[in-house]
Amino acid sequence: DTAVSQTPKYLVTQMGNDKSIKCEQNLGHDTMYWYKQDSKKFLKIMFSYNNKELIINETVPNRFSPKSPDKAHLNLHINSLELGDSAVYFCASSPATVRIMTEAFFGQGTRLTVV
Amino acid sequence: GQNIDQPTEMTATEGAIVQINCTYQTSGFNGLFWYQQHAGEAPTFLSYNVLDGLEEKGRFSSFLSRSKGYSYLLLKELQMKDSASYLCAGLDSNYQLIWGAGTKLIIKP
Repeated sequence: DTAVSQTPKYLVTQMGNDKSIKCEQNLGHDTMYWYKQDSKKFLKIMFSYNNKELIINETVPNRFSPKSPDKAHLNLHINSLELGDSAVYFCASSPATVRIMTEAFFGQGTRLTVV
Repeated sequence: GQNIDQPTEMTATEGAIVQINCTYQTSGFNGLFWYQQHAGEAPTFLSYNVLDGLEEKGRFSSFLSRSKGYSYLLLKELQMKDSASYLCAGLDSNYQLIWGAGTKLIIKP
């Protein structure tokens, strides 16, 4: 029983393409997040949604657009991909509006490589 | 055709270093995986390389050269529990894993 699932797990694409990463949680949590992890760095929060509403929007290029059709789903769409977008993107959920990593349940990550 | 080649069996001594090589030919290339599989258990993920170079994770490192169609898995400070099969797998253009037959690694005291 997967708690937080995201697809795809691996994504290799060319610069300039548009891609989406999907995330779903079956934990009944109200809050979902997108984090970006560059190689050898800590997770950095990108967006947070609470009951389908955006509550955190860190300094992220406009090319990144989250979409939450319902509180169990938070998808990430990225336009005009750049080399610097290569990273592992983690979806997470938590039962409350918190930014503390330890209280979130993480998906397995999507490793995005832009070539 | 698509093909993954790796040695069938290797033997090493506890505490030593061993390098397991893998050459691949796939239709398109979206990355190269290494998995560890203990006898009777499911494979578990070790590493994923899609860009050239070395990726280090503790005692295990994985190297990829796309131009040569070559990868290796390096295991340092070998422990008895490292005795297992090590599977090399390439991810083709359809994101399908093409598996090698595995390298059985035997660790001796």
